[in-house]
Amino acid sequence: AQSVAQPEDQVNVAEGNPLTVKCTYSVSGNPYLFWYVQYPNRGLQFLLKYITGDNLVKGSYGFEAEFNKSQTSFHLKKPSALVSDSALYFCAVKDTGRRALTFGSGTRLQVQP
Amino acid sequence: NAGVTQTPKFQVLKTGQSMTLQCAQDMNHEYMSWYRQDPGMGLRLIHYSVGAGITDQGEVPNGYNVSRSTTEDFPLRLLSAAPSQTSVYFCASSYARVGYGYTFGSGTRLTVV
Repeated sequence: AQSVAQPEDQVNVAEGNPLTVKCTYSVSGNPYLFWYVQYPNRGLQFLLKYITGDNLVKGSYGFEAEFNKSQTSFHLKKPSALVSDSALYFCAVKDTGRRALTFGSGTRLQVQP
Repeated sequence: NAGVTQTPKFQVLKTGQSMTLQCAQDMNHEYMSWYRQDPGMGLRLIHYSVGAGITDQGEVPNGYNVSRSTTEDFPLRLLSAAPSQTSVYFCASSYARVGYGYTFGSGTRLTVV
């Protein structure tokens, strides 16, 4: 079975400060990891993914994520937060033997001006 | 514009009524899936399809049916609506090859009274 944990329901950060949204995963094979963002009353938008290769993955809107195999983590990061980054963020995983993505419960990011 | 189209955007049903949520994609994606989003629970997989004529159950399939007669369309049928099916429903599609992420529709907000 595959699973994803996002331990924080909400993350608060001041504009201009760095942000981190945490994600840990469990899969039986090699993981494929994804981050999605959801703005109010919208569908999910793809931010970035890790398939193989460099452990630091860069994505849309200045976001990046670091894959750590030993800690089974895939934390989302941004060096300088913007108020417009405020949204709901989902981590997702699938392993090589499955078609379906399994999503975490989501983390609400609130960036204060 | 290429993408995933869901209709309707909003729907109110009475308990016991049936209805079909429509999903269509024009990207020639092999893989299509339905998720429901509930507060604090992330996205949970209802049903998915790896190609025309092939469907399978996800983690919360009870009360829902699907079929995939064409590559483009993947309708979700609620057989006898219950208040527990009040949720936001998302359709997503992807290429079947490993490593591709999903493209999501904008969602259908369903209320069962």
